[in-house]
Amino acid sequence: DAKTTQPNSMESNEEEPVHLPCNHSTISGTDYIHWYRQLPSQGPEYVIHGLTSNVNNRMASLAIAEDRKSSTLILHRATLRDAAVYYCILRANFGNEKLTFGTGTRLTIIP
Amino acid sequence: DTGVSQDPRHKITKRGQNVTFRCDPISEHNRLYWYRQTLGQGPEFLTYFQNEAQLEKSRLLSDRFSAERPKGSFSTLEIQRTEQGDSAMYLCASSFSSQNYGYTFGSGTRLTVV
Repeated sequence: DAKTTQPNSMESNEEEPVHLPCNHSTISGTDYIHWYRQLPSQGPEYVIHGLTSNVNNRMASLAIAEDRKSSTLILHRATLRDAAVYYCILRANFGNEKLTFGTGTRLTIIP
Repeated sequence: DTGVSQDPRHKITKRGQNVTFRCDPISEHNRLYWYRQTLGQGPEFLTYFQNEAQLEKSRLLSDRFSAERPKGSFSTLEIQRTEQGDSAMYLCASSFSSQNYGYTFGSGTRLTVV
């Protein structure tokens, strides 16, 4: 599986935007970039995914670099409920179907 | 549909006992996954089913572990002769087979082996 690299932890102030980076320099042309988050004592929750173009949904935005070797998850206005571990995962389009989680980024929101 | 349900939420068992966990996926989803998560780590893949067929098993899934998905609906994960190292959160997820959909995870079953 192609590997992703994320900072272990980040802090952000409440009501400020948050930019969570992810490096994936060995991404292949058919790998999708997926983001999940895990709140304390819960299972992971799907956030967003994309292939080449930037993506927006009600939870977040995903900005993908032109060479696809990095991406950024953007939370436009962080709330205390966004405190979680955020995982950036590459998912192969064919064959290897499973999600392979790393250790993610632990996001702390400061009131 | 209320999402992916897992039962029980917590299980404490003595070393050497057998345990079985149940997962009820979202009914329209044809894929079902089992993961295991220990403290401070991300979830680790164990196995997955497409309908009733078990398509992949991780090498983490020793011969003490077995999973089934009869009739392509709910799934069970059994651990025989539990060991203290089996203590973890066991997570179930379901999805459509298309890349255009994410996984929906349950809240997990926390197993403690004493």
